[in-house]
Amino acid sequence: QSALTQPASVSGSPGQSITISCTGTSSDVGGYNYVSWYQQHPGKAPKLMIFDVNSRPSGVSNRFSGSKSGNTASLTISGLQAEDEADYYCSSYTGSSTPAVFGGGTKLTVL
Amino acid sequence: QVQLVESGGGLVKPGGSLRLSCAASGFTFSDYYMSWIRQAPGKGLEWVSYISSSSSTIYYGDSVKGRFTISRDNAKSSLYLQMNSLRAEDTAVYYCARDGVLAVTAVFDYWGQGTLVTVSS
Repeated sequence: QSALTQPASVSGSPGQSITISCTGTSSDVGGYNYVSWYQQHPGKAPKLMIFDVNSRPSGVSNRFSGSKSGNTASLTISGLQAEDEADYYCSSYTGSSTPAVFGGGTKLTVL
Repeated sequence: QVQLVESGGGLVKPGGSLRLSCAASGFTFSDYYMSWIRQAPGKGLEWVSYISSSSSTIYYGDSVKGRFTISRDNAKSSLYLQMNSLRAEDTAVYYCARDGVLAVTAVFDYWGQGTLVTVSS
């Protein structure tokens, strides 16, 4: 199972909105509504930010939202804040004997 | 509160073995699918292995199949990863993570703090 494709980096200024894409295939992102997004600060464990394409766990800011169109999922962060600077990873269920696949990660820089 | 605490990492020579453990608390461990996920230094996340709540279903990533064995002890609320024939490319922080109740969903809602495995001579 190949990794999902994410841009290596994105950046934005405080208060702006950014979107991170995650491209897979019809066997993963396009085939199931089990797309998740994780935030990881340096030296820390990943934190679930979005699950099932567009659902937020309790406690996650509503500035974070998710969507999907075809084989591409997206994470949008609105009203960028300094603490949003981190690495972001998408993941998808694949329905195969290797049921989970991650994206390569995107480094978000808040300018 | 949900807690996952990994242990057992360390320095091991190529070809050697290591057993990782993950102690779970704050939830009914026996209800959940569990997974090991790793991250090589400076690299992205890589899913390694899954085990169902009853241990009846187990999956492995292609890069570790035949060398790693996942297991669990529900009575002890613990998850394990036996790693044999270790290679330099297995060097990574290994995380245990919680998945769903009824089936694999690849949604990892809780993660441990990770344990570092270094494979080097």
